[in-house]
Amino acid sequence: DTGVSQDPRHKITKRGQNVTFRCDPISEHNRLYWYRQTLGQGPEFLTYFQNEAQLEKSRLLSDRFSAERPKGSFSTLEIQRTEQGDSAMYLCASSLEVGGAVTEAFFGQGTRLTVV
Amino acid sequence: AQKITQTQPGMFVQEKEAVTLDCTYDTSDPSYGLFWYKQPSSGEMIFLIYQGSYDQQNATEGRYSLNFQKARKSANLVISASQLGDSAMYFCAMRANTGNQFYFGTGTSLTVIP
Repeated sequence: DTGVSQDPRHKITKRGQNVTFRCDPISEHNRLYWYRQTLGQGPEFLTYFQNEAQLEKSRLLSDRFSAERPKGSFSTLEIQRTEQGDSAMYLCASSLEVGGAVTEAFFGQGTRLTVV
Repeated sequence: AQKITQTQPGMFVQEKEAVTLDCTYDTSDPSYGLFWYKQPSSGEMIFLIYQGSYDQQNATEGRYSLNFQKARKSANLVISASQLGDSAMYFCAMRANTGNQFYFGTGTSLTVIP
């Protein structure tokens, strides 16, 4: 396991369709993040998991978005009834949190979503 | 809440020269971490360097160093001996010990000129 992997790398979907993205974190990492990045902006926080528990969600994460991390391993991010405004790069990251110390997060290559 | 400001949308540097990318931050938390990431056109965010708020010395990682000035709330990235492969977007980020998310700036696009 050499890093965080995301699948697919690119997704083109029609407005109104559902899409699901997968993230496989670094295997020993207990924390997993989802971020969204639009053109010309830095990544914006969507949600994070500590092991299998989803502990925080951004207000950016509307009811159409849902994320899971069964068994604290891989994670999925689903967007229902996609809208053109959902077009963005979706980034997954993972980190190993020990004793509350801040540590770096390692990112995957992202899934670029285009809603047409 | 935390905020990161990167005021340089784009920077140019001659190959083999050094370049400084600016980053200022705002937080009320006394304990936090500062990070720099590189994002090539492929999209992956690559971790470069980390500085803890209580670290006495500036962090260094190979050709990267972080010029940490706590009183000014700045955490500038210095890249020495620039290479063509350094051309990319660079993002400054922070995370407070009491928080759970990383906050990112808007990034600086660096172009290395041969």
